[in-house]
Amino acid sequence: QSVLTQPPSVSGTPGQRVTLSCSGSSSNIGINGVSWYQQLPGTAPKLLVYINNKRPSGVPDRFSGSESGTSASLAISGLQSEDEANYYCAAWDDTLDGWLFGGGTKLTVL
Amino acid sequence: EVQLVQSGTEVKKPGESLRISCKGSGYSSTNYWITWVRQMPGKGLEWMGRIDPSDSYTNYSPSFQGHVTMSHDRSISTAYLQWSSLKASDTAMYYCARETDNSDELDIWGQGTMVTVSS
Repeated sequence: QSVLTQPPSVSGTPGQRVTLSCSGSSSNIGINGVSWYQQLPGTAPKLLVYINNKRPSGVPDRFSGSESGTSASLAISGLQSEDEANYYCAAWDDTLDGWLFGGGTKLTVL
Repeated sequence: EVQLVQSGTEVKKPGESLRISCKGSGYSSTNYWITWVRQMPGKGLEWMGRIDPSDSYTNYSPSFQGHVTMSHDRSISTAYLQWSSLKASDTAMYYCARETDNSDELDIWGQGTMVTVSS
């Protein structure tokens, strides 16, 4: 059972803005940065957004991250069909002394 | 280009041993920890543990401690994940990933190694 909690699924239509949530605790999100990963079907996870809403080169600014207390969110604006994927949040946990992943959210573009 | 390249698909029987690899290139491997992540069929990502290539210090998730061993060969910039006795429940995709400074994110991922354990 994941200690970072994500909704199992979210859906939206092309062009829409959707928000994915990730809830943690004071030993992870509350004290360490959150990163988000996109996993397209049949491929490895890819870093999408990380600390202070930074994006690796090549990731469009349609993807943005934010944090508040022990929760974090990933917003995707101008939804496109190629955004259909599983999205995972992750954070370092000081109690575990290791990484925690959320259970993942499957984004469906209707 | 910075990349992690993993070894290929494995099919093993219960009780057999296995070592899979993850070779880093395009960067100094001793400067970044390597983390291993398991993804069982149709499931999410699970952190298994990590290794510091500079001195091979490891820390494991309690869920995997004692069942797997992580190692690293600095001479060939390659990290390893090994099992001494596989179980059917080890069937999964295994990813290695590079960990940035301060453990802020996992910025580079290998392509994954599929391990199937079946009698």
